[in-house]
Amino acid sequence: DTAVSQTPKYLVTQMGNDKSIKCEQNLGHDTMYWYKQDSKKFLKIMFSYNNKELIINETVPNRFSPKSPDKAHLNLHINSLELGDSAVYFCASSQEANPRETQYFGPGTRLLVL
Amino acid sequence: QKEVEQNSGPLSVPEGAIASLNCTYSDRVSQSFFWYRQYSGKSPELIMSIYSNGDKEDGRFTAQLNKASQYVSLLIRDSQPSDSATYLCAVNRSGGYQKVTFGTGTKLQVIP
Repeated sequence: DTAVSQTPKYLVTQMGNDKSIKCEQNLGHDTMYWYKQDSKKFLKIMFSYNNKELIINETVPNRFSPKSPDKAHLNLHINSLELGDSAVYFCASSQEANPRETQYFGPGTRLLVL
Repeated sequence: QKEVEQNSGPLSVPEGAIASLNCTYSDRVSQSFFWYRQYSGKSPELIMSIYSNGDKEDGRFTAQLNKASQYVSLLIRDSQPSDSATYLCAVNRSGGYQKVTFGTGTKLQVIP
């Protein structure tokens, strides 16, 4: 059974389109995250939710909007896609929003904007 | 200065040797330190976590932390070709929610 899953795994789209990425965890964790990993492999946090409440909102364009319908799901909607949005987006989860908690990562969604 | 700095590599070591990966961080209030391994095209997975000064050993892996020098390292003994991957150092501040800052990673190549 996959602990943290993401759909789709690959996403190729045109500039200006709107797309969504979905994430689900079956670990019973309270906290979920979205990360962006660019072409240089730099992994940077975008958002974090704890019990459906937004707790971390980094400097990310307003075109990115996360949504957590319940503790097990965290989706990411991106409006008006730009070339610079091309990256791998990882979802992760941890038991709690505690600095010592291990984060478990999903397989990633590879987004290519043409 | 970057918050978490790592040499990007590649670091090449022969099979059976000790691989030494280093990381420095800028935020003195950091309290939690992690090493993640990321194979090409895969997601990061936790190898080690360390919170106190000194060494922490787990199998072939040893994490070393020196908060005074703001330095954390990962030693891999008896390196195997399967250890070839990018190793990400991650640091978390004290207090508040978990907001992990990652380094850019060091690519390790273990040569058979």
